[in-house]
Amino acid sequence: NAGVTQTPKFQVLKTGQSMTLQCAQDMNHNSMYWYRQDPGMGLRLIYYSASEGTTDKGEVPNGYNVSRLNKREFSLRLESAAPSQTSVYFCASLLQGGVYEQYFGPGTRLTVT
Amino acid sequence: AQSVTQLGSHVSVSEGALVLLRCNYSSSVPPYLFWYVQYPNQGLQLLLKYTSAATLVKGINGFEAEFKKSETSFHLTKPSAHMSDAAEYFCAVTHGSSNTGKLIFGQGTTLQVKP
Repeated sequence: NAGVTQTPKFQVLKTGQSMTLQCAQDMNHNSMYWYRQDPGMGLRLIYYSASEGTTDKGEVPNGYNVSRLNKREFSLRLESAAPSQTSVYFCASLLQGGVYEQYFGPGTRLTVT
Repeated sequence: AQSVTQLGSHVSVSEGALVLLRCNYSSSVPPYLFWYVQYPNQGLQLLLKYTSAATLVKGINGFEAEFKKSETSFHLTKPSAHMSDAAEYFCAVTHGSSNTGKLIFGQGTTLQVKP
């Protein structure tokens, strides 16, 4: 099993450009999450999908959109990138809420100039 | 609302010394608590979790944590630090009966291990 995979690993964008971050899991998990990690702020939830076909906003959703394409894939889109979106983005998946833990991908380091 | 506070953004210990990373939580309902570790340029990896069974939880790499409801704490300890323990550590909380599985993370603590 590859676990949770993310592409790309690194990306540099100019202000105003758009891009989609891809995430896939092969563990047959129901829930998937997108976080951003900034120094001194821990991980903050951007959007999540508790089950296939549903998505909900997290703590910091502004400037982002998501698509739960199927049970395996959950993408994050930046329509018009801003320097404030420079961050490391992590995708995670979870079998179901409760006693189970989230599994994290390796991250995408995004720089917006 | 749930929240997590990690006391100390940086902790430095000597190799072989006790490691103590502090985590306090706030939750109006019984929480489930997690400690994750992040090595440089990698994703997060689960160290251990508390899910309302034993209050003393043992994890990987010799780490353990004790859930203390009266102190709303879930501190992470390791008796003897190793150089390979240098990393960033995150405490997280979720609602025990939540069906969304959303985690609230602390700010993180960077552990430095000196030779």
